[in-house]
Amino acid sequence: NAGVTQTPKFRILKIGQSMTLQCTQDMNHNYMYWYRQDPGMGLKLIYYSVGAGITDKGEVPNGYNVSRSTTEDFPLRLELAAPSQTSVYFCASSQTPGTEAFFGQGTRLTVV
Amino acid sequence: ELKVEQNPLFLSMQEGKNYTIYCNYSTTSDRLYWYRQDPGKSLESLFVLLSNGAVKQEGRLMASLDTKARLSTLHITAAVHDLSATYFCAGSTGTASKLTFGTGTRLQVTL
Repeated sequence: NAGVTQTPKFRILKIGQSMTLQCTQDMNHNYMYWYRQDPGMGLKLIYYSVGAGITDKGEVPNGYNVSRSTTEDFPLRLELAAPSQTSVYFCASSQTPGTEAFFGQGTRLTVV
Repeated sequence: ELKVEQNPLFLSMQEGKNYTIYCNYSTTSDRLYWYRQDPGKSLESLFVLLSNGAVKQEGRLMASLDTKARLSTLHITAAVHDLSATYFCAGSTGTASKLTFGTGTRLQVTL
């Protein structure tokens, strides 16, 4: 059982480049989330989705976009990378409110 | 807006000792979660607390929730080195279970 899978695990981007962080889950969860974790800090919510075709902004959405065309996949797009986006990105999913969220292994992104 | 604060931020303790991590939150939170994170790793769910007075235990860890005081605690009993990690609490509001995290407590258990 793979759970939540993120790719890539590591990436270095130059300022102004774009990339997509991939996230897929095989648990048929409706709820999916993207968080970022800066060094020594807790996680902050970027975007979330409550089902295919439905997405909404979290606490720190600027500079990011998402889509949710299927239940399984929830990619995060960075259009114009900036040094402030250097962080570790975690994708998570949960079945219903009140249940635990399962996290992927994270993508460590450095923008230089 | 929900805000979550943890203390202490760093905790160094000897094996065999007991200690408590505190998690305060600012407004009504539907649920309270505890997660563990090892260095460079993902987050592992420890507990989900759903109601006032909820208490859950797993091994040497016990979590409780007091919604009137807006306080959750994570109690560590007879610490062992394997418990060294960063522990996060998180609250959530609304139907989408969006999590608001505290800044974490880095626990170091020394031999």
